[in-house]
Amino acid sequence: EVQLVESGGGLVQPGGSLRLSCAASRFTFSMDYMTWVRQAPGKGLEWVASISEDGSEKYYGGSVKGRFTISRDNTKNSLYLQMDSLRAEDTAVFYCARFYNSHIDYWGQGTLVTVSS
Amino acid sequence: QTVVTQEPSLSVSPGGTVTLTCGLTSASVSTSHYPNWYQQTPGQAPRPLIYKTNTRSSGVPDRFSGSILGNKAALTITGAQAYDESDYYCVLYMGSGIWVFGGGTKLTVL
Repeated sequence: EVQLVESGGGLVQPGGSLRLSCAASRFTFSMDYMTWVRQAPGKGLEWVASISEDGSEKYYGGSVKGRFTISRDNTKNSLYLQMDSLRAEDTAVFYCARFYNSHIDYWGQGTLVTVSS
Repeated sequence: QTVVTQEPSLSVSPGGTVTLTCGLTSASVSTSHYPNWYQQTPGQAPRPLIYKTNTRSSGVPDRFSGSILGNKAALTITGAQAYDESDYYCVLYMGSGIWVFGGGTKLTVL
C-alpha cells in the first residue's frame, strides 16, 4: 500500500524557517500530483500547496503564498515544503498527501510544526 | 475571500439518517467544484470517503453517499453507527489549482 512519511517538523521561532520532507514509497511517485495539508491544534483542515507530477505547476493557499515553497525530487521519491517567515498561526500538523483523480486518496501521519519563542 | 461552509455540528440517532452539507458564501456548488468528503477521528489522518461529488473511495460502505442538493454538496449517512461519530470535512476546487476546505462538521451519534 502507498506509504507517505513526513519528517522535519519541530519547534521554530517566529520569523524562522523550516523544511519539511515527505518520503513516498510503494507507488510511482513521479506520476502523481502531491499536496500538503495542515491542521492547527483543535482546528480544521487547510489546503496548503500542491505540485504537479513533474514539478512544473505549483499552487498555494492564500495564507502561505509568498512564504512557503513546494518542491519535489522524483529521483528520490520525495516531496518538500520550504517554510519561511513562519508565524505563530502556522503552528499545525502538516500532512503530506497523494492527489489522484481529483481527490486525496492517501495521507501521511503528519509532522508537527510549532512556531513559538 | 471564498469561504466553504459546513454545519459546525450535527447529531443523529443510531440507525438514523443524517445529511451534511457543503456550501459557498458567494456561489452555488456544482459538480465542477469536484466536492470531496473526508472523515477524521481525533489523532488520526483524514480518511477519504467521497470524491467527484458522488464516487465512494475504496472500502467505503454504501451507507455513505454524496450528491448535490440545491446549491450545496451533500454527504448523507444512512444507518448511522456509533463509530461514524467523527469530524467530516468537505473540500471544493476553486479553479486555477486552488482547493478550499470547509470548517468541518462534528457529528455526534446519540
